[in-house]
Amino acid sequence: ETGVTQTPRHLVMGMTNKKSLKCEQHLGHNAMYWYKQSAKKPLELMFVYNFKEQTENNSVPSRFSPECPNSSHLFLHLHTLQPEDSALYLCASSQEREAYNEQFFGPGTRLTVL
Amino acid sequence: GQNIDQPTEMTATEGAIVQINCTYQTSGFNGLFWYQQHAGEAPTFLSYNVLDGLEEKGRFSSFLSRSKGYSYLLLKELQMKDSASYLCAFMDSNYQLIWGAGTKLIIKP
Repeated sequence: ETGVTQTPRHLVMGMTNKKSLKCEQHLGHNAMYWYKQSAKKPLELMFVYNFKEQTENNSVPSRFSPECPNSSHLFLHLHTLQPEDSALYLCASSQEREAYNEQFFGPGTRLTVL
Repeated sequence: GQNIDQPTEMTATEGAIVQINCTYQTSGFNGLFWYQQHAGEAPTFLSYNVLDGLEEKGRFSSFLSRSKGYSYLLLKELQMKDSASYLCAFMDSNYQLIWGAGTKLIIKP
């Protein structure tokens, strides 16, 4: 138990569906991250929020839309996804963005796009 | 540019010692992290090195040489539960983690 939870753990969706991934951290951290993890590939940073403000968007397609209503919650809204978007989506948090802090990861959402 | 490299897979025997290497290239460096990830689980933090030298934590140790762009994770007295993927990542000048693809470690009895 890392103090970061993600729901759902598994999601299967069609290309025309709209769904949302949820992340919650109970660590009092100020920075939250979305990563994409594909088999045998490095973790890809998607979005970063620091004190609820989005600080990075690493050229992520607009079919992925993040939302951070407060420092404890992070969402990833999905719409009109492609089969190549199937992957493990990991949420992480750290004390601050610009510091040498370790990141704490949630268990991930395994997404399959049909 | 930036890049980071680690072996794809390694095999070791229970009770033995294994060293997982990681090499990187970057113009801005704010430290190197090692994480462990069991299949289907979240990555968990193992170590952080920002200065040259060896950091020891129980059965696990991590080494860094900034001049060589090189780090290794040393696992001693291997146990079956150490079977996992080991991810190295360096933090660049923008405090962003640049990740390797991970080394899958297989422990055999």
